[in-house]
Amino acid sequence: DVKVTQSSRYLVKRTGEKVFLECVQDMDHENMFWYRQDPGLGLRLIYFSYDVKMKEKGDIPEGYSVSREKKERFSLILESASTNQTSMYLCASSLWIAGGSHTGELFFGEGSRLTVL
Amino acid sequence: AQRVTQPEKLLSVFKGAPVELKCNYSYSGSPELFWYVQYSRQRLQLLLRHISRESIKGFTADLNKGETSFHLKKPFAQEEDSAMYYCALRRAGGFKTIFGAGTRLFVKA
Repeated sequence: DVKVTQSSRYLVKRTGEKVFLECVQDMDHENMFWYRQDPGLGLRLIYFSYDVKMKEKGDIPEGYSVSREKKERFSLILESASTNQTSMYLCASSLWIAGGSHTGELFFGEGSRLTVL
Repeated sequence: AQRVTQPEKLLSVFKGAPVELKCNYSYSGSPELFWYVQYSRQRLQLLLRHISRESIKGFTADLNKGETSFHLKKPFAQEEDSAMYYCALRRAGGFKTIFGAGTRLFVKA
């Protein structure tokens, strides 16, 4: 069973703080993703990574950065948290397949609910 | 631009009634379509994908390229089907998966 683990389920931070959200997967997946989930907006892709030290911007990268130093770990960083970054953050991973980027199935973590005051 | 539209935010049906969750997409290339589901207090998970043409938990979805739709259907809804459902699309072979806004299905006893 694929396991994607997000280290913090709930965080409360103050405006301007630096925030780290950690995600670890244990199935040797090449691809990892960070989404934010907001009511009425669904899931929006922030960043993804298809290999160690590789990263690509998603649809809403502003105000975020990521780090992938090891294959199993993908971190989302908010350099200076703002109230509009209050959200549920979902990490996901997927398996690379020959001839394509991945199988299409995303395996999600349980989410990290961030509140910025 | 790629876009996934789920017109209903909330869908409420009685147990045993048919259910259809609508999904329309806009994409000019060759898309792959998915339905993901999130039950209460559980993580988001894949329900089905159009390539597999399978039925999962009694749900089916047919890709209609002419109408650019991928509606999710079940002939007889069960209470345990109550959940949040997301339609998703990615370009064939691509990395990015985009999601619709989601539809909350509530099945009443």
